[in-house]
Amino acid sequence: TQLLEQSPQFLSIQEGENLTVYCNSSSVFSSLQWYRQEPGEGPVLLVTVVTGGEVKKLKRLTFQFGDARKDSSLHITAAQPGDTGLYLCAAILGGSNYKLTFGKGTLLTVNP
Amino acid sequence: NAGVTQTPKFRVLKTGQSMTLLCAQDMNHEYMYWYRQDPGMGLRLIHYSVGEGTTAKGEVPDGYNVSRLKKQNFLLGLESAAPSQTSVYFCASREPGRRYTGELFFGEGSRLTVL
Repeated sequence: TQLLEQSPQFLSIQEGENLTVYCNSSSVFSSLQWYRQEPGEGPVLLVTVVTGGEVKKLKRLTFQFGDARKDSSLHITAAQPGDTGLYLCAAILGGSNYKLTFGKGTLLTVNP
Repeated sequence: NAGVTQTPKFRVLKTGQSMTLLCAQDMNHEYMYWYRQDPGMGLRLIHYSVGEGTTAKGEVPDGYNVSRLKKQNFLLGLESAAPSQTSVYFCASREPGRRYTGELFFGEGSRLTVL
C-alpha cells in the first residue's frame, strides 16, 4: 500500500504552460515536504509545509497544504525547461520524527 | 562544502558477492538514512540511524546490514548480492527539526548493478 499517492506519474508540457501536481494520503501528515530531483543527482528540498491550509510561494512555484493535512499540491506557472525533473513529496507519518516516507514522484518534462 | 558524500558511485557485482557502500556527512547531523530508488517505485527506506551506535530497519531492510560506528559515517552492507538489489542507493542526513521540519540532505547516489 502506497502511503503517499502522487499524480500524475508523468507530465510532458510545452514551455510557458501552467501545471499542477498532487500528493494525497488517507493519513494526516505532521508535515509535508516537496523535493526536486534532476537526473544523476539526489533530491533537493523545495519547501516544507506544516499548517493546514498553508500556501507557500517560491518564485513561479506555489505549494498548498490541504486544510485537513492529508493532501498537497504544487503549481508551476509558466513552466521552463529548467523545471524538468522528478518532483517528490515526502511526509512524516504516524507520529514518528525519524522516518520520511516518499511518494513515487511526478516526472515532469518541459519542452522548449 | 562536501555535504553528503557516497562511495563508490558505480559498482558492478556478481550474484553472491559482498560489498559495502560508505556514506559520510560533514554537517554533524544526528539522523542518517539509506534509501533505494527503482523505476516507478520512488524512494524506499532501507535502514536508518538516529545517532552514533544506533540503527533501525526501514521499509525494505532484507538483504542489507548497516553500521554507524562514527557519527559522520553510515555504512550499508550487502552480504550476498542478488539481482533484485540492482538499484540506485541514496544516503541522506538530517538534523531533527521542530515539528518534524528538518530538511533531508542527499548524496549523489551509488548505482549498483548485480549480474
